[in-house]
Amino acid sequence: EPEVTQTPSHQVTQMGQEVILRCVPISNHLYFYWYRQILGQKVEFLVSFYNNEISEKSEIFDDQFSVERPDGSNFTLKIRSTKLEDSAMYFCASSQDMNTEAFFGQGTRLTVV
Amino acid sequence: AQRVTQPEKLLSVFKGAPVELKCNYSYSGSPELFWYVQYSRQRLQLLLRHISRESIKGFTADLNKGETSFHLKKPFAQEEDSAMYYCALIGSKIIFGKGTRLHILP
Repeated sequence: EPEVTQTPSHQVTQMGQEVILRCVPISNHLYFYWYRQILGQKVEFLVSFYNNEISEKSEIFDDQFSVERPDGSNFTLKIRSTKLEDSAMYFCASSQDMNTEAFFGQGTRLTVV
Repeated sequence: AQRVTQPEKLLSVFKGAPVELKCNYSYSGSPELFWYVQYSRQRLQLLLRHISRESIKGFTADLNKGETSFHLKKPFAQEEDSAMYYCALIGSKIIFGKGTRLHILP
């Protein structure tokens, strides 16, 4: 069964450093998402991406964040200058269409020290 | 405003007892509602969607538009049901509730 895969599974970075979280969505899916979950809190929407552009973003997704689909298979989330409060589990998801089931990756645990 | 409310953070139920995980939503329009489950150390996965009206792993959920609820139910809890359960509203994005941790007691 096709799966969304994310790498790395765990990333530790120093405050102020840039990180890139990588995702390979399911191949025939057209909509891509990033979510995050701070420890003990709910899963929060960051951004959705369709047709090579951001379709929606939350207020969490400020100028420090960017997304890219560089090569038609990967979907990346970049945090330009990490802060301690960026520490969270980051989930990538993809769906065939809007309003349909989204399939989630296993997540990347980001720890900012 | 679009919102999903799961009032219980933790629900402990004895094996064999009925389970009900509560979910209320706020949405202007016709909602698409789902339940996602996250077992220990595993990814979020879809459990069921209101539109299919199916039963998965013995769980059912009925959309009640009058009460704006989509409670998840199972008549007899099993130990393997222990997990985090998220109610989700799907429009242009998925909006999750805070989740309820279901703990099945032996």
